[in-house]
Amino acid sequence: DAGVTQSPTHLIKTRGQQVTLRCSPKSGHDTVSWYQQALGQGPQFIFQYYEEEERQRGNFPDRFSGHQFPNYSSELNVNALLLGDSALYLCASSPNPGPGYEQYFGPGTRLTVT
Amino acid sequence: AQSVTQLDSQVPVFEEAPVELRCNYSSSVSVYLFWYVQYPNQGLQLLLKYLSGSTLVKGINGFEAEFNKSQTSFHLRKPSVHISDTAEYFCAVSDRDQAGTALIFGKGTTLSVSS
Repeated sequence: DAGVTQSPTHLIKTRGQQVTLRCSPKSGHDTVSWYQQALGQGPQFIFQYYEEEERQRGNFPDRFSGHQFPNYSSELNVNALLLGDSALYLCASSPNPGPGYEQYFGPGTRLTVT
Repeated sequence: AQSVTQLDSQVPVFEEAPVELRCNYSSSVSVYLFWYVQYPNQGLQLLLKYLSGSTLVKGINGFEAEFNKSQTSFHLRKPSVHISDTAEYFCAVSDRDQAGTALIFGKGTTLSVSS
């Protein structure tokens, strides 16, 4: 049983560009959340997707958007990249959209903005 | 709003020694509490969680944590650590009554186990 997978592993972009990160949830999970982890910091919640809709959002600007597909996989899009967007982006899946359920994390995508 | 403070950024210990990683939280609502571990170049893995009931929670790899509501703490302990426990440890909370899955994480504690 494959766990949460993310692609690509690493990515280098230039300021002002746009980026798309991808996530496939663990088998049987229908809820996907995205987190940003800056160097030396804990992960910060970006948003959660369930039933192809954004259900909850953290304190991130509209430059951060997402999508969930019918097969529960998800994309994170970031427009107009800033140097401060450089971070590890983690995807997590869970079997239920509510709190208290274990979230399974992928290995992350390391984004570097130059 | 909730916040999490991990009181030690780095904890160096010798193999087979006991360890405690401290976590305090602040919240105006009831919360669930979690400890996650992150090994180098890997995602986070759940060690244990407190939802309700007994305040002493046992998790994987011999770790346990105790929820103290009066002190708003959720400290992680292990009686005897191994070299393989070297990793980054994160304490996290979530609002019990929220509609979603958002976790609020602390900044992490680096546990370094040496022989």
